[in-house]
Amino acid sequence: DQQVKQNSPSLSVQEGRISILNCDYTNSMFDYFLWYKKYPAEGPTFLISISSIKDKNEDGRFTVFLNKSAKHLSLHIVPSQPGDSAVYFCAASTGARQLTFGSGTQLTVLP
Amino acid sequence: KAGVTQTPRYLIKTRGQQVTLSCSPISGHRSVSWYQQTPGQGLQFLFEYFSETQRNKGNFPGRFSGRQFSNSRSEMNVSTLELGDSALYLCASSPQPQGISETGELFFGEGSRLTVL
Repeated sequence: DQQVKQNSPSLSVQEGRISILNCDYTNSMFDYFLWYKKYPAEGPTFLISISSIKDKNEDGRFTVFLNKSAKHLSLHIVPSQPGDSAVYFCAASTGARQLTFGSGTQLTVLP
Repeated sequence: KAGVTQTPRYLIKTRGQQVTLSCSPISGHRSVSWYQQTPGQGLQFLFEYFSETQRNKGNFPGRFSGRQFSNSRSEMNVSTLELGDSALYLCASSPQPQGISETGELFFGEGSRLTVL
């Protein structure tokens, strides 16, 4: 039972345009959401997070939006750069439980 | 500050063998978590240790086990290897147990790539 789903395994975007990565979850008890970025042969690195009491969090070119009623969150990258090409994982947690990760979306930013 | 260190980075085993992977967390971090990454499956949680105690365990068979030492270093062991165990095994550390730290951020190592033939 996948509680965190990333339905798009891949996404291609032109450099300078907006990248939108989506994530859906089923567990209404999740209260914290995170995005991680992973390059090949490296471990995932933390990108940005959002608490369930907020609906938006912004950090430079990265913005995460949370829609609790739809159980949906998205990561916006503006403007997209070739160096953003990586696999992006969304993750969620509840209480003192471990992070539950989605299956990842491969973002390719075309120059 | 040194990051999370995992050894070995790559290894090849045959079915039926057993393997031990090692993880040294960031200095001062007492929580160590292990994840398995396979294509299309994302990161599947294996277990988390904090102060030498297993806090949480994922839905994996008993062939997967782990432990944590007093210096917070951790090992995971997989016995009777199967082909399906081929994966990237990632270790992550954090100062506090998962779900308790304010940001929830985990710091990952580069992983140990296991191939079972």
